[in-house]
Amino acid sequence: QQQVKQSPQSLIVQKGGISIINCAYENTAFDYFPWYQQFPGKGPALLIAIRPDVSEKKEGRFTISFNKSAKQFSLHIMDSQPGDSATYFCAARGYGGSQGNLIFGKGTKLSVKP
Amino acid sequence: DVKVTQSSRYLVKRTGEKVFLECVQDMDHENMFWYRQDPGLGLRLIYFSYDVKMKEKGDIPEGYSVSREKKERFSLILESASTNQTSMYLCASRFRDRPWYTFGSGTRLTVV
Repeated sequence: QQQVKQSPQSLIVQKGGISIINCAYENTAFDYFPWYQQFPGKGPALLIAIRPDVSEKKEGRFTISFNKSAKQFSLHIMDSQPGDSATYFCAARGYGGSQGNLIFGKGTKLSVKP
Repeated sequence: DVKVTQSSRYLVKRTGEKVFLECVQDMDHENMFWYRQDPGLGLRLIYFSYDVKMKEKGDIPEGYSVSREKKERFSLILESASTNQTSMYLCASRFRDRPWYTFGSGTRLTVV
């Protein structure tokens, strides 16, 4: 119940295309769903996040779509650029104590080809 | 600019050595975390700390210990380094009442 399943493990997209990364969870108590972006040699950095009371959040070319009934959320990168090439992690947070720690997906390595 | 600083970017140690990985944050965060990152396995939680002198085991604590004597510093200790501990180690921190983490840049440890 504490897992977050992320797919695909790797993704190759042409410049200008749409990159889509999916995550699924089982614990209905999760209340915060962030996406982190990690460039080679760097630590992950918060990219965008959503709470379950909204179905979509957009920041520039990055959009989170959230489907509460299906317990799924996804990251869409519009007009993908070579500079978007990175590893992306989805995560989810539960309530209180150690339940309040983020549970991370295993990551998706995105390569955007010029 | 707020920061989580890990003392070494690259570290090479010999099997059996005691290894210290240091992490310092300047944001007055209560919670701090240590993860290891391996290809295909994502981020795996080793230990975390809710506040000074507090520590909790994560998912893979075996072979590791931690120390948090000051609020800003969280140390990861490999008591007797082994080759299967070769990995990227990431430190993170956050405020107790905020959900998002700030990560350091990582320490790539190689045990030979």
